[in-house]
Amino acid sequence: EAQVTQNPRYLITVTGKKLTVTCSQNMNHEYMSWYRQDPGLGLRQIYYSMNVEVTDKGDVPEGYKVSRKEKRNFPLILESPSPNQTSLYFCASSFGGTGELFFGEGSRLTVL
Amino acid sequence: QQQVKQSPQSLIVQKGGISIINCAYENTAFDYFPWYQQFPGKGPALLIAIRPDVSEKKEGRFTISFNKSAKQFSLHIMDSQPGDSATYFCAAAISGGYNKLIFGAGTRLAVHP
Repeated sequence: EAQVTQNPRYLITVTGKKLTVTCSQNMNHEYMSWYRQDPGLGLRQIYYSMNVEVTDKGDVPEGYKVSRKEKRNFPLILESPSPNQTSLYFCASSFGGTGELFFGEGSRLTVL
Repeated sequence: QQQVKQSPQSLIVQKGGISIINCAYENTAFDYFPWYQQFPGKGPALLIAIRPDVSEKKEGRFTISFNKSAKQFSLHIMDSQPGDSATYFCAAAISGGYNKLIFGAGTRLAVHP
């Protein structure tokens, strides 16, 4: 089954404790991206990657890091989480320039 | 600054009625306009998309209307059903950057039986 898998789905952490949200896709997509969803703000892009070892900032990259060492994986790293990073996070992938994004089921992060 | 403005924020429709969600954009370079549907606890999924060379696209009960001069596009859901209850996001992108979608704030639709 074609899918984008995120882990963990739910996480409560404390300010400053480094965490990683993993994302893996099995569709051999070149493009992967991270979004955060907040009420009234929709989905905002954090980082994206056009292919292995190629990443770039989205609209709200502050406080986040990413890496793309393998085509299928695109982890999101919060080096020192803060309460304003409490949000619902989505990983997405797509094939080339088709424009159709395939989303994971989301990771709800709470930073206390 | 929100490049894609979506309204209304929430919408309640009776079963069988028409649901209408509107979006407006500012950047005239946008040339790809998809709509995504999100059910609770799930990620968004592509519902229907349009490019500015047509003014309307229909897929089943879902229709996108596009007005290039007004820089507006809308989603119409005909014969709305309780199963259509979800959050809907409009989005826009520029040619060559289709994967860098700019999303609207979302509309929570509730279809009552």
